[in-house]
Amino acid sequence: NAGVMQNPRHLVRRRGQEARLRCSPMKGHSHVYWYRQLPEEGLKFMVYLQKENIIDESGMPKERFSAEFPKEGPSILRIQQVVRGDSAAYFCASSPNSRDTGELFFGEGSRLTVL
Amino acid sequence: GIQVEQSPPDLILQEGANSTLRCNFSDSVNNLQWFHQNPWGQLINLFYIPSGTKQNGRLSATTVATERYSLLYISSSQTTDSGVYFCAVVASKTSYDKVIFGPGTSLSVIP
Repeated sequence: NAGVMQNPRHLVRRRGQEARLRCSPMKGHSHVYWYRQLPEEGLKFMVYLQKENIIDESGMPKERFSAEFPKEGPSILRIQQVVRGDSAAYFCASSPNSRDTGELFFGEGSRLTVL
Repeated sequence: GIQVEQSPPDLILQEGANSTLRCNFSDSVNNLQWFHQNPWGQLINLFYIPSGTKQNGRLSATTVATERYSLLYISSSQTTDSGVYFCAVVASKTSYDKVIFGPGTSLSVIP
């Protein structure tokens, strides 16, 4: 049973370009979470999605950031017009279904560097 | 929203020593997990423990949900235990799962 798969593992972008980060949850998991981790800091919640629905995006910056989890395919975190402050590790996690069995499993992260 | 605190923020141990890490949360929770982020950045599940006590080798964890805290015990520490330990909770009083992380305890085990 494959774990949570994230790609790319490392991504370098110049200021103003777009970054797309992909996350395939574990098989059977319908909940996806994205977190951002700045160097030497903890994990900050960004967005929580279920298939075709954004449940909570309270941690997402209002501009340039968007996320989706389509019926088919991976969840995508999209950052438009990247700036240096977007450089961070972006972690995706998935969990099975209900809150009572919602153990999170993390991918290995995507490390974005903005030049 | 729920607040999660961890203590101590930093800890240095001699190899072979024992330690206790603490996680306090400000409201009732449905879920609580402990994670270890190793020096390479990987997040490793340690325990899923909304209540009670669990053990896995040299590690054990106890959550006292009624008193809103959880403890992670590391015995006979090894250099490979170095890294950051996070607890993460899901508050009970939300209509959906939102997992909130504490700030972490940074552990360095020296030979």
